[in-house]
Amino acid sequence: AQTVTQSQPEMSVQEAETVTLSCTYDTSENNYYLFWYKQPPSRQMILVIRQEAYKQQNATENRFSVNFQKAAKSFSLKISDSQLGDTAMYFCAFQTQGGSEKLVFGKGTKLTVNP
Amino acid sequence: NAGVTQTPKFQVLKTGQSMTLQCAQDMNHEYMSWYRQDPGMGLRLIHYSVGAGITDQGEVPNGYNVSRSTTEDFPLRLLSAAPSQTSVYFCASRGYRVLTIYFGEGSWLTVV
Repeated sequence: AQTVTQSQPEMSVQEAETVTLSCTYDTSENNYYLFWYKQPPSRQMILVIRQEAYKQQNATENRFSVNFQKAAKSFSLKISDSQLGDTAMYFCAFQTQGGSEKLVFGKGTKLTVNP
Repeated sequence: NAGVTQTPKFQVLKTGQSMTLQCAQDMNHEYMSWYRQDPGMGLRLIHYSVGAGITDQGEVPNGYNVSRSTTEDFPLRLLSAAPSQTSVYFCASRGYRVLTIYFGEGSWLTVV
């Protein structure tokens, strides 16, 4: 069974600075997808970024980028130029390729951006 | 721009009562699923469906029932509510060969 571990329950960062959230996962699969979701206080689940395991290039979406280390089973999220609106819970999630709808989530990291 | 719509948004139930959480999507997505989120936890899969007439169990299916009679709707039924089912419930959908999963806004359920 796949597991996802987020070792940082809470983090804080000053506005405009950079912060990195950690995620490790365990799987015997070779083809899979990894995601970072943001959950603000409204509880809406918002997709931040995704990575296909077969792609060596790290995904980037504006101020958000990942460091995907497949051999180490590590998938960290870097937020550059942090903004107050980035304050939220961040969840790392794993999905096997090939029809399974099961997203396996980590327990989340609560990120606070301070002014 | 409705996307995934969940109703009700808030509900209080007494132990032993039954109820149905409704989920509808207007994107013609084949895949739909239900998750629950408990304090300090990520989302956990309850049931999912890969198309009309096809459903399967997820990680935490006990106490819940689903059916998928149409592509658009995927209701979640609580058969006999228990306090352990107090949670926030999310419905999600995605299209075939599309990676992006769309979530509803969540349904807050309290069982007393």
